[in-house]
Amino acid sequence: KNQVEQSPQSLIILEGKNCTLQCNYTVSPFSNLRWYKQDTGRGPVSLTIMTFSENTKSNGRYTATLDADTKQSSLHITASQLSDSASYICVVGGQAGTALIFGKGTTLSVSS
Amino acid sequence: GAVVSQHPSWVICKSGTSVKIECRSLDFQATTMFWYRQFPKQSLMLMATSNEGSKATYEQGVEKDKFLINHASLTLSTLTVTSAHPEDSSFYICSAREGDRGLIGYTFGSGTRLTVV
Repeated sequence: KNQVEQSPQSLIILEGKNCTLQCNYTVSPFSNLRWYKQDTGRGPVSLTIMTFSENTKSNGRYTATLDADTKQSSLHITASQLSDSASYICVVGGQAGTALIFGKGTTLSVSS
Repeated sequence: GAVVSQHPSWVICKSGTSVKIECRSLDFQATTMFWYRQFPKQSLMLMATSNEGSKATYEQGVEKDKFLINHASLTLSTLTVTSAHPEDSSFYICSAREGDRGLIGYTFGSGTRLTVV
């Protein structure tokens, strides 16, 4: 069964600190892995997209890694800001044109 | 970049009435539209997939007669929740995909908060 699992479920960090979110997947065939940021009551916004041949991709303070062999990905947030408080969702794409498979997300709270 | 406009952003309706949610791709042609539902603290759950000009394909457990999807043009898809009940209260999100945009092709709308009273 195609699944995407994320950990931790929730995380609280102080402003300015770094954090790393984890994602494990069992989707096959695998095409691509995405990280999205979803603010409460809003649609998801794409942070990074990686194919199986890419190991890392950065978008500002966000850096995603991918190990297609172990089917694991991580999202590292550097120097967190209060505006980083949101749900971060790991999403895996399978065959071209099919719907994406979503993880349940990690809720990040950044406090001052 | 690609933009998907979803309206309304929130709606409150009485039990038994119908509600229509619109999803428009503003600067690209959406060959495929996906409709998701998201309950609090849960992941997005795919409800149906629709290709322009074709009948939507519904996921198991989703009632096609209750959630009517129309994708009559390459820039507009609608989801109509018919005879809405309180249990239909949820956050509905559309996603549009442009056929030849490869990996970049999925763009999400901003979502619609439906509350049925």
